[in-house]
Amino acid sequence: DGGITQSPKYLFRKEGQNVTLSCEQNLNHDAMYWYRQDPGQGLRLIYYSQIVNDFQKGDIAEGYSVSREKKESFPLTVTSAQKNPTAFYLCASSPDRGLNTEAFFGQGTRLTVV
Amino acid sequence: QKEVEQNSGPLSVPEGAIASLNCTYSDRGSQSFFWYRQYSGKSPELIMSIYSNGDKEDGRFTAQLNKASQYVSLLIRDSQPSDSATYLCAPCDSWGKLQFGAGTQVVVTP
Repeated sequence: DGGITQSPKYLFRKEGQNVTLSCEQNLNHDAMYWYRQDPGQGLRLIYYSQIVNDFQKGDIAEGYSVSREKKESFPLTVTSAQKNPTAFYLCASSPDRGLNTEAFFGQGTRLTVV
Repeated sequence: QKEVEQNSGPLSVPEGAIASLNCTYSDRGSQSFFWYRQYSGKSPELIMSIYSNGDKEDGRFTAQLNKASQYVSLLIRDSQPSDSATYLCAPCDSWGKLQFGAGTQVVVTP
């Protein structure tokens, strides 16, 4: 089955901890994205990558880090510097370096600070 | 700042009626436009794409685009309870990257 797999589905983080969210795709897409969604709000772009070994900050990158060592994988680390990390995190991918094309989403990871 | 504006709703629609969703965008360089449906607690799924001015129909969905007015809309005909969801408008900006509106919540009432 081709698609985008995010794990875990639910994640709990203690204050001051770093946590890493996994995103893997087998669609052979060039571009991958991380979005954050808060209750009742739209999607906000955290980071995106159009090719391997390159990524760019989105609108709300502070407190987050990413890597793109393989085409298939784009993990997101939520660091202790992110003061309000509780949210729904969505990973997406697009063909054609993500230019003027649609994005396809994984099932999301719901992160809660405890 | 590029903006995508949608009425937040909720838009209440009787079952079998037409739901009309509107979206305006600020970036005149936008060339591609997408509509996503998001059920509560789930991730967005693509339901329509439109690239040229005019109408595009796919089943019960019709997307309408007017680039001069910077306006894109989605019509849902014969609305069903399963259409109850939040609909996200997503134009691509001048750099070809998706920008998302906050979404319109649709509630189809029996």
